[in-house]
Amino acid sequence: GAVVSQHPSWVICKSGTSVKIECRSLDFQATTMFWYRQFPKQSLMLMATSNEGSKATYEQGVEKDKFLINHASLTLSTLTVTSAHPEDSSFYICSASGSGRAGGTDTQYFGPGTRLTVL
Amino acid sequence: QKEVEQNSGPLSVPEGAIASLNCTYSDRGSQSFFWYRQYSGKSPELIMFIYSNGDKEDGRFTAQLNKASQYVSLLIRDSQPSDSATYLCAVNQAGTALIFGKGTTLSVSS
Repeated sequence: GAVVSQHPSWVICKSGTSVKIECRSLDFQATTMFWYRQFPKQSLMLMATSNEGSKATYEQGVEKDKFLINHASLTLSTLTVTSAHPEDSSFYICSASGSGRAGGTDTQYFGPGTRLTVL
Repeated sequence: QKEVEQNSGPLSVPEGAIASLNCTYSDRGSQSFFWYRQYSGKSPELIMFIYSNGDKEDGRFTAQLNKASQYVSLLIRDSQPSDSATYLCAVNQAGTALIFGKGTTLSVSS
């Protein structure tokens, strides 16, 4: 399958600091990238959808000023958690879809995730 | 509200048996159907996609789609302990974000 990477794989930060997570599609052009959050033993929760070169579309209840998403190229999207607090501690997962991969343009390939712990 | 329903399980099967995972969806306009596997603490991994009514086989996995009944299933033959995971069903219309079910936990005992 397609390869999507995330960096860092885990991060620990102090409350009030900002954390940036990168999501890269390594072998295809990702026209659309998605950011999810998953708490332990809970379902995936879609946070936002971003199309290359456009502003992200956030799901209801997700603060766009707190979770800044940039999708500046067809291979890179970033999620910045601003002024992180302990309740933001979670597993953040990106996924990407695009042309040229098995399953067509709607198939989402997931990155390995980033585990964020805010102290 | 577009919904994807899955039995949360756990579904327990002995090693070597067939595991049958089911999913129903509410949006009759759905066009693409996906099964993902998620191991504990890991991100989802795509197993199969299916677009047309009928069966699609890939190794030990068979996806079955019935659009009239708004039903999609995943069969795992010769189940192995390594198949123990949560299986996520996802559907969408063309150009829209996938809608995920909450997942079914499968446990394969040796």
